[in-house]
Amino acid sequence: GAVVSQHPSWVICKSGTSVKIECRSLDFQATTMFWYRQFPKQSLMLMATSNEGSKATYEQGVEKDKFLINHASLTLSTLTVTSAHPEDSSFYICSARRGLAGYTFGSGTRLTVV
Amino acid sequence: DQQVKQNSPSLSVQEGRISILNCDYTNSMFDYFLWYKKYPAEGPTFLISISSIKDKNEDGRFTVFLNKSAKHLSLHIVPSQPGDSAVYFCAASAQGGADGLTFGKGTHLIIQP
Repeated sequence: GAVVSQHPSWVICKSGTSVKIECRSLDFQATTMFWYRQFPKQSLMLMATSNEGSKATYEQGVEKDKFLINHASLTLSTLTVTSAHPEDSSFYICSARRGLAGYTFGSGTRLTVV
Repeated sequence: DQQVKQNSPSLSVQEGRISILNCDYTNSMFDYFLWYKKYPAEGPTFLISISSIKDKNEDGRFTVFLNKSAKHLSLHIVPSQPGDSAVYFCAASAQGGADGLTFGKGTHLIIQP
């Protein structure tokens, strides 16, 4: 079946530094990937849609200059949290779409900014 | 404003009985619905989906019912097993699933022996 690998699974960084999270589709090509964020005991919130070879589409309220998304190939999308602050601490999850409406999620990345 | 609502934060069901998880939505553009199971610090695992052209979809112990007029869907798990204990998220998408998903807040299902 479709497998999506997300790395790292957890990361601790200092306030003001940048963190890159990778999302790879291992056995299929994904022209579209999605990035979500989940705060404790909350829903998963869609942050942005990552399209291979073009700019990402950000949801309302998500700062595109803070959350940089690059989808340079059909199997890799990256999310870079720039100048991270403690309020950016969250669980970030990527999802890749295989065909129409076939979503597979990565295992998530727990980001803690200290 | 929550477009997908799961009004029960938790649900406790005895092993072997039926678990019914409910979900309501407000956006009439949604035409594709999915249920996911999730453990802490893990990504969601897909369970079952349904298109708006159907009112029922069944896969093993899991059945999803869709009532478009009421903008309501439900997930039935029967019989419930201890391994079903997890948080269940309802999700919806527009354009036949071409968009990203809008999730509910989840229902924590606890299966009691």
